[in-house]
Amino acid sequence: DTEVTQTPKHLVMGMTNKKSLKCEQHMGHRAMYWYKQKAKKPPELMFVYSYEKLSINESVPSRFSPECPNSSLLNLHLHALQPEDSALYLCASSHPGLAPYEQYFGPGTRLTVT
Amino acid sequence: SQQGEEDPQALSIQEGENATMNCSYKTSINNLQWYRQNSGRGLVHLILIRSNEREKHSGRLRVTLDTSKKSSSLLITASRAADTASYFCATDGEETSGSRLTFGEGTQLTVNP
Repeated sequence: DTEVTQTPKHLVMGMTNKKSLKCEQHMGHRAMYWYKQKAKKPPELMFVYSYEKLSINESVPSRFSPECPNSSLLNLHLHALQPEDSALYLCASSHPGLAPYEQYFGPGTRLTVT
Repeated sequence: SQQGEEDPQALSIQEGENATMNCSYKTSINNLQWYRQNSGRGLVHLILIRSNEREKHSGRLRVTLDTSKKSSSLLITASRAADTASYFCATDGEETSGSRLTFGEGTQLTVNP
């Protein structure tokens, strides 16, 4: 199984809502990532988990809160978002470490903040 | 910060023609990867070239890397309509872990049938 799944596919939320994005992989990868991608732009790294511990936080606002409950699951909790946070949120996984491993991406969650 | 720049930003060709996309980066790298993204979907890994390699092939793909010029090119031969997508190069730097990929701005390729 070389698939990364993400739910939901689409999410519309108000600025006062609390919602969560979910990501799952069963490839035995111990590194998982959240990226944010605006239209016609490249993905921007938000967070990296390595062996279920947060290893990289790219100065993301606290209204985004990641969680890695186990080696297969990655969540992104959303609270008090702004309209400019509307984007495609991509999850990815890979083997961890310094070696150049390819990343496997999920299909993304299209988030609209109203 | 995004360190990769790609050109052209957009490329439109006819089916059967070759497509060449270029990527430039600013800092020293460990390796460079190319990814494809169909509209509104996730990215798919295409090929990885290490900093000590100069050329690599995979099927209809040919990647070159010139570390002295800090540039790479992706050639897709005998293009098909299904190759229509955005193509991104991604680098990880010598001073960062393999986990931190920095993506270029991307090239939007359209292959007309």
